[in-house]
Amino acid sequence: RKEVEQDPGPFNVPEGATVAFNCTYSNSASQSFFWYRQDCRKEPKLLMSVYSSGNEDGRFTAQLNRASQYISLLIRDSKLSDSATYLCAMRIDRGSTLGRLYFGRGTQLTVWP
Amino acid sequence: ETGVTQSPTHLIKTRGQQVTLRCSSQSGHNTVSWYQQALGQGPQFIFQYYREEENGRGNFPPRFSGLQFPNYSSELNVNALELDDSALYLCASSSITGSGNTIYFGEGSWLTVV
Repeated sequence: RKEVEQDPGPFNVPEGATVAFNCTYSNSASQSFFWYRQDCRKEPKLLMSVYSSGNEDGRFTAQLNRASQYISLLIRDSKLSDSATYLCAMRIDRGSTLGRLYFGRGTQLTVWP
Repeated sequence: ETGVTQSPTHLIKTRGQQVTLRCSSQSGHNTVSWYQQALGQGPQFIFQYYREEENGRGNFPPRFSGLQFPNYSSELNVNALELDDSALYLCASSSITGSGNTIYFGEGSWLTVV
């Protein structure tokens, strides 16, 4: 079983739509959670960290549910420039896995005008 | 700009050949990790180097090897290349201080094996 499961999509939404992505993780020892954005043929770039209390950055809201072992990303008022692949990632910050990121396979989002 | 640089950006190799990819980490970062990202997949952890020693390894065969130098730069070497090794290879640098440290990715090296 993969450490992180993510629906690959693709998601095709009109401008202005609200879209949500979810990831589930299998290791309850996971401590840190992230959402990355990856543009075509580019490296992943950190979009936001995910905290237990939930956090918001403009149109983006990230949530963590430790009891159900999933994280989510909500994008409100989608823009054309939001078109990209969104990767969830988690990290277990101890022992031999210190600093290692486990990624989902990514969800492709296309926002159309 | 993350301050992490990788070279080369693109290369084509023949099956059976060997390849070396290079990474210069961000100033002050003592840890370098390498990831392989195949088309349509998320990055997969290959291994991590801390203070010039391998410090954790993912599910990759021994023909994937690495080095870290005193200046914290790093190399990824892949021997006996296979077609499935075609992927984006990402270098990530960080400073191991426990949870909360940020990981920065380089722009990656695109390897095509034919």
